[in-house]
Amino acid sequence: GESVGLHLPTLSVQEGDNSIINCAYSNSASDYFIWYKQESGKGPQFIIDIRSNMDKRQGQRVTVLLNKTVKHLSLQIAATQPGDSAVYFCAGSYNTDKLIFGTGTRLQVFP
Amino acid sequence: DSGVTQTPKHLITATGQRVTLRCSPRSGDLSVYWYQQSLDQGLQFLIQYYNGEERAKGNILERFSAQQFPDLHSELNLSSLELGDSALYFCASSVAVDYGYTFGSGTRLTVV
Repeated sequence: GESVGLHLPTLSVQEGDNSIINCAYSNSASDYFIWYKQESGKGPQFIIDIRSNMDKRQGQRVTVLLNKTVKHLSLQIAATQPGDSAVYFCAGSYNTDKLIFGTGTRLQVFP
Repeated sequence: DSGVTQTPKHLITATGQRVTLRCSPRSGDLSVYWYQQSLDQGLQFLIQYYNGEERAKGNILERFSAQQFPDLHSELNLSSLELGDSALYFCASSVAVDYGYTFGSGTRLTVV
């Protein structure tokens, strides 16, 4: 069935270091992926997206990598800041009109 | 402010009761999606409406129903509430799924 999952439930990094959050998906027909950030008590906030015809996309301090061969995508956050502390979700569109979300990775940033 | 408005923000009710959650999508968005998020869990897709019509259904219980009105706002109705229905309920809207969703701030439902 369709699934999007994350490798680690919690990631702890030191302020200033780079963070890498990973995500695996099961459906090779998926064609669109998004990373969301959710802070405590708030709704998910769009970070960056990527379509299946790309393998890399960069934003401000964030990069998403897509490896369709192994059905894996990652979110890289450069120079991680305390404000980056949140739960990060990957989501994929499987050729239907909805996004399937993974369970999330909690990013903790230490000074 | 994301542009997606959900009311109420908090709701406390007793088991067996019925509640209605409301969502106003971002201006111009025709699709509305409802998701349930239990404590420390991911987002579970419940149902989607597009321009007033049901487009897709996820793991939505029979006790739950939704609709989208001509002005595009949507309501999620939860009935015969159980303790396990306590969760955050999010509404999201989009122009199209491959332009991403914009989420509201959610309704926190507590069933006691």
